[in-house]
Amino acid sequence: AQRVTQPEKLLSVFKGAPVELKCNYSYSGSPELFWYVQYSRQRLQLLLRHISRESIKGFTADLNKGETSFHLKKPFAQEEDSAMYYCALSGQGDRDDKIIFGKGTRLHILP
Amino acid sequence: GAGVSQSPRYKVTKRGQDVALRCDPISGHVSLYWYRQALGQGPEFLTYFNYEAQQDKSGLPNDRFSAERPEGSISTLTIQRTEQRDSAMYRCASNPTGSSNQPQHFGDGTRLSIL
Repeated sequence: AQRVTQPEKLLSVFKGAPVELKCNYSYSGSPELFWYVQYSRQRLQLLLRHISRESIKGFTADLNKGETSFHLKKPFAQEEDSAMYYCALSGQGDRDDKIIFGKGTRLHILP
Repeated sequence: GAGVSQSPRYKVTKRGQDVALRCDPISGHVSLYWYRQALGQGPEFLTYFNYEAQQDKSGLPNDRFSAERPEGSISTLTIQRTEQRDSAMYRCASNPTGSSNQPQHFGDGTRLSIL
């Protein structure tokens, strides 16, 4: 069964320190992985997707199929990174696949 | 429009009443998704459409929930005989293609409270 696990509900990190938000998944096929972010008083929006291999706002995420993980990382946290982060999974181009979200991790950047 | 629009933003109603939640996707977007998000949880898939066709409704919790998108644009999620456990944030998202592996564009959501 499809499943996305974000083990941390809350992560507090000092400004300037490295950030790692964990995401593990379970999927029988080839997954497409995403990170979505919701800043205070804003709508949920895409942060990055693994297929793009981009760095967005200093964040990167590498798909590790051996460990079935897609952890989100940033070397130096900034106060504006405080937000709710959701890891999500879908199949690759399969029209019958739904999108599964994790429960989310609240990232709190301490000054 | 500039983005996905959902209405109303807030809905408070008494148990047993029917409610209809509206989603106006980005113009031209093929796919439209409905999610429900309880407090402390991630968005939970309910159903989705490609154009006017409902492709998957496996996430609808029971037959009190239904959705339609008759002209392939605006969609309505209807909850009949509401119960307190239906209280949640209901989110709509669209994407330009018919493929679930494309980024979702979300609306602001409708917060539903059942008294």
